[in-house]
Amino acid sequence: GAGVSQSPRYKVTKRGQDVTLRCDPISSHATLYWYQQALGQGPEFLTYFNYEAQPDKSGLPSDRFSAERPEGSISTLTIQRTEQRDSAMYRCASSPLAARGPDTQYFGPGTRLTVL
Amino acid sequence: SQQGEEDPQALSIQEGENATMNCSYKTSINNLQWYRQNSGRGLVHLILIRSNEREKHSGRLRVTLDTSKKSSSLLITASRAADTASYFCATDTGANSKLTFGKGITLSVRP
Repeated sequence: GAGVSQSPRYKVTKRGQDVTLRCDPISSHATLYWYQQALGQGPEFLTYFNYEAQPDKSGLPSDRFSAERPEGSISTLTIQRTEQRDSAMYRCASSPLAARGPDTQYFGPGTRLTVL
Repeated sequence: SQQGEEDPQALSIQEGENATMNCSYKTSINNLQWYRQNSGRGLVHLILIRSNEREKHSGRLRVTLDTSKKSSSLLITASRAADTASYFCATDTGANSKLTFGKGITLSVRP
């Protein structure tokens, strides 16, 4: 595709509900990253994928957060039993090389999650 | 945790002036990158400077890197109202190429 796309762009949910966010990276990009950005802060790393493999989950805040990329393309980030502190912008980025770095990451527009 | 710290936190200048933004970081890096975030839009990559480089140019952007001081600066020359945005520095320590961002600098360019 022309760029990284994310859906939905906005999600409002009630505390305790599960939410799934989707990221569609640039075609053929090997590496995909998820970041969480609180208001007034910079993005913070959550996890990343090299194709289907998920070598690093160290940034996931709790076991309520999980991510998948089963076919090495589209990825989903799922937050179970959402809490108000999960409210943030969730950003996805992709890059062409398999995390050999350095490389440019191309960011999507983000999903703004609000947990009431 | 955020490795990079940008300075100043906010900057307001007149169109046509130059804007200088600084970033300091704590650990050794492979490269440092600057991103721009416009209101309501995604992060856009501006420029990447590797740890063995000292200065790099791209259009109206000039970035410097001083690894001995663990600091970088981004200079935007001849600023335009469209440069109004938040600017983030991000460091790549080589650990999976994940980026560690600072809190950002809010730049306002007055027409």
